[in-house]
Amino acid sequence: DQQVKQNSPSLSVQEGRISILNCDYTNSMFDYFLWYKKYPAEGPTFLISISSIKDKNEDGRFTVFLNKSAKHLSLHIVPSQPGDSAVYFCAASDGGSQGNLIFGKGTKLSVKP
Amino acid sequence: AAGVIQSPRHLIKEKRETATLKCYPIPRHDTVYWYQQGPGQDPQFLISFYEKMQSDKGSIPDRFSAQQFSDYHSELNMSSLELGDSALYFCASSFLQGPSSSPLHFGNGTRLTVT
Repeated sequence: DQQVKQNSPSLSVQEGRISILNCDYTNSMFDYFLWYKKYPAEGPTFLISISSIKDKNEDGRFTVFLNKSAKHLSLHIVPSQPGDSAVYFCAASDGGSQGNLIFGKGTKLSVKP
Repeated sequence: AAGVIQSPRHLIKEKRETATLKCYPIPRHDTVYWYQQGPGQDPQFLISFYEKMQSDKGSIPDRFSAQQFSDYHSELNMSSLELGDSALYFCASSFLQGPSSSPLHFGNGTRLTVT
């Protein structure tokens, strides 16, 4: 049973517009959430994270929103750039897991010039 | 900045053979994690080590074993390889058993193909 779900396998956005990637989770024990970006033939690269005590974290063009009651988080990229084209993984952990992450299946973002 | 180094990048083995994957964490990172990513799948946690001791165990088969050495590098040993072991194997490292203390940083992976 998938505890972290990314229901959109792909997303296409025009350069300069906003990209919104969504993630849902089922385990209420998750208390830390991360977004990773992955290019082909490379490992996942850490992008941004959020603790369950917050509902928003912003870093430059990237903002992550957390809605605990809905068990939903989203990553906003504004403005989107062609170099943002990659697979984005949502990941979660709980305090007892000592750091191991549960990943979603990823969303492939394509930003068109 | 130094990243997580994994070797080899590619490995081809036959069924029933053994394989050893190596991981060199970011300097001063004390925790190492191993993940397996099958084709079209999400990365699945296998095992982790903190200060050279196993700290958590995921879906690692009994045919696999791993350890972390005194210099903090880690090796994943895989025996009696099966076709289904063909996957990308990622190593990640963090400081103080992340991710809330520090996020996991991943290497570029080892692609294992079992024929």
